[in-house]
Amino acid sequence: DGGITQSPKYLFRKEGQNVTLSCEQNLNHDAMYWYRQDPGQGLRLIYYSQIVNDFQKGDIAEGYSVSREKKESFPLTVTSAQKNPTAFYLCASSNQRDTEAFFGQGTRLTVV
Amino acid sequence: KNEVEQSPQNLTAQEGEFITINCSYSVGISALHWLQQHPGGGIVSLFMLSSGKKKHGRLIATINIQEKHSSLHITASHPRDSAVYICAVAGNQFYFGTGTSLTVIP
Repeated sequence: DGGITQSPKYLFRKEGQNVTLSCEQNLNHDAMYWYRQDPGQGLRLIYYSQIVNDFQKGDIAEGYSVSREKKESFPLTVTSAQKNPTAFYLCASSNQRDTEAFFGQGTRLTVV
Repeated sequence: KNEVEQSPQNLTAQEGEFITINCSYSVGISALHWLQQHPGGGIVSLFMLSSGKKKHGRLIATINIQEKHSSLHITASHPRDSAVYICAVAGNQFYFGTGTSLTVIP
């Protein structure tokens, strides 16, 4: 079955360390997205990619980096420059006509 | 200004009650999604709608494209329905509501 997989579900890291969150889809979707959720707030766009080898900053890209070397994969790196990295991170994908969209289960990152 | 507004923010219901959560949006969309998030848990996609109505078990979702409004209904609510319900619309990106926190009391 096709779907989108985020891993891990829970992640703990020490302050100052970079950490990479995985997002993989086997849906042949062109577009992939990363969002962040803080307690009591809606999900906010970090980065998105409409095509392989291309990506765009969202509303809160500072302190994050992404790559899109393969259509199936859109990993997000939370760098040490991100001041408040502890949050829930959600990956999503959609096809070109936006007639199909899938959401990952999310990764809850805690930095101590 | 939020592109997606949900109401109510918080909702407490007795088991068995009929529940309605509303979502209004201001952007042009190709589809609207209803998502469920349990405390400390991940996201589960409930519905994707571009028109009309969909039903899955005790859950019903409707959308009115002209009025830019969608509703999620839960019939015969149960404590296991307690979760945050999030409305998301697909435009040039996804826009999310802040969620409705539902608590169903036995």
